[in-house]
Amino acid sequence: EAQVTQNPRYLITVTGKKLTVTCSQNMNHEYMSWYRQDPGLGLRQIYYSMNVEVTDKGDVPEGYKVSRKEKRNFPLILESPSPNQTSLYFCASSPRRDSYNEQFFGPGTRLTVL
Amino acid sequence: GENVEQHPSTLSVQEGDSAVIKCTYSDSASNYFPWYKQELGKRPQLIIDIRSNVGEKKDQRIAVTLNKTAKHFSLHITETQPEDSAVYFCAANDYKLSFGAGTTVTVRA
Repeated sequence: EAQVTQNPRYLITVTGKKLTVTCSQNMNHEYMSWYRQDPGLGLRQIYYSMNVEVTDKGDVPEGYKVSRKEKRNFPLILESPSPNQTSLYFCASSPRRDSYNEQFFGPGTRLTVL
Repeated sequence: GENVEQHPSTLSVQEGDSAVIKCTYSDSASNYFPWYKQELGKRPQLIIDIRSNVGEKKDQRIAVTLNKTAKHFSLHITETQPEDSAVYFCAANDYKLSFGAGTTVTVRA
């Protein structure tokens, strides 16, 4: 089944404890992206990648890192999480090397930072 | 960067009536405008999109209109049904996809 998967789906952690949220897609998509969703703010892009080893900042990149060592995986890293990073996170992928077409979203990861 | 404003933030309609959601954008270079639907607890899913060389697009009960001169676009849902209840997001793309804040649509039976 063609899909985008994220792990974990739910995570409660404490301030400063490094964490990684994994994202994987099996559709051979070129473009991958991370968003955070907060009430009243919609979906805001954190980072995106148009190809392996190519990543770029979105609108809210502070406090986050990403890597794209393989085409299928695009992990999101929080080196030192803070409470303002409590949010619902979505990974998404798209077939071409841009975002001018349908984004396929993962199921989401709900992160709480205490 | 692109700034997308979406109105209204909440919308309650009687089943069978129409619903209209409006969005404005700031960057005249934007040329791709998708709409996503997010049901409660689910992921966003594309329901319709329009590109800047088209003024209107329709898919069954859903239509989107685009006015590039005024920099606004709208989603129209006709004959609303309970399963249309969800959060709807508009977005605009210059070189990055920027989303509006969302509209919570409730269809009353």
